Amino acid sequence: EPEVTQTPSHQVTQMGQEVILRCVPISNHLYFYWYRQILGQKVEFLVSFYNNEISEKSEIFDDQFSVERPDGSNFTLKIRSTKLEDSAMYFCASSVRGGGQNIQYFGAGTRLSVL
Amino acid sequence: AQSVSQHNHHVILSEAASLELGCNYSYGGTVNLFWYVQYPGQHLQLLLKYFSGDPLVKGIKGFEAEFIKSKFSFNLRKPSVQWSDTAEYFCAVTAGYNTDKLIFGTGTRLQVFP
Repeated sequence: EPEVTQTPSHQVTQMGQEVILRCVPISNHLYFYWYRQILGQKVEFLVSFYNNEISEKSEIFDDQFSVERPDGSNFTLKIRSTKLEDSAMYFCASSVRGGGQNIQYFGAGTRLSVL
Repeated sequence: AQSVSQHNHHVILSEAASLELGCNYSYGGTVNLFWYVQYPGQHLQLLLKYFSGDPLVKGIKGFEAEFIKSKFSFNLRKPSVQWSDTAEYFCAVTAGYNTDKLIFGTGTRLQVFP
């Protein structure tokens, strides 16, 4: 069964450093998403991306965050200057189509630890 | 703002016991409802979904859920759990047709003992 893959599984960084989290969505999917889960809290939506544009973003997704599909297979989340509160599990997801009735397939996540 | 509540944070059962996990949402319009499961060390997987039609939906691994619109609920059930059902279960909704944003509950950790 095709899977969304995320690398690395665990990233440790110093506060103020830039990090790039990488995801390879399922190959025929066109819609891409990032979510995060701070320890002990809910999984929260960050951003959705389609046709090389952000289609929706949450209030969490401020100027420190950016997303990119640099080639035909990868989808990345960049945090420009990490803060302690960015420590969380980050999940990538993809779907064939968009809208409320789509099924999103998730990766196993990248645990980001900001020291 | 829309929200999802899962009232059971940690459930411990013996094998063959019946399971019901509660999920309530707050949104007055059309909702699409999902249950995801995350086995230890693995990715979130879709268990079942409800978009429209028969409010009793069946998913994988013997799970089912019932949408009760009047109660804003979408509870997950399984008549007889197995040790392999040990996992974290997440209820999620999308509000309407035009948003992709999944709104998640806090999750319920299920432990099943042999």
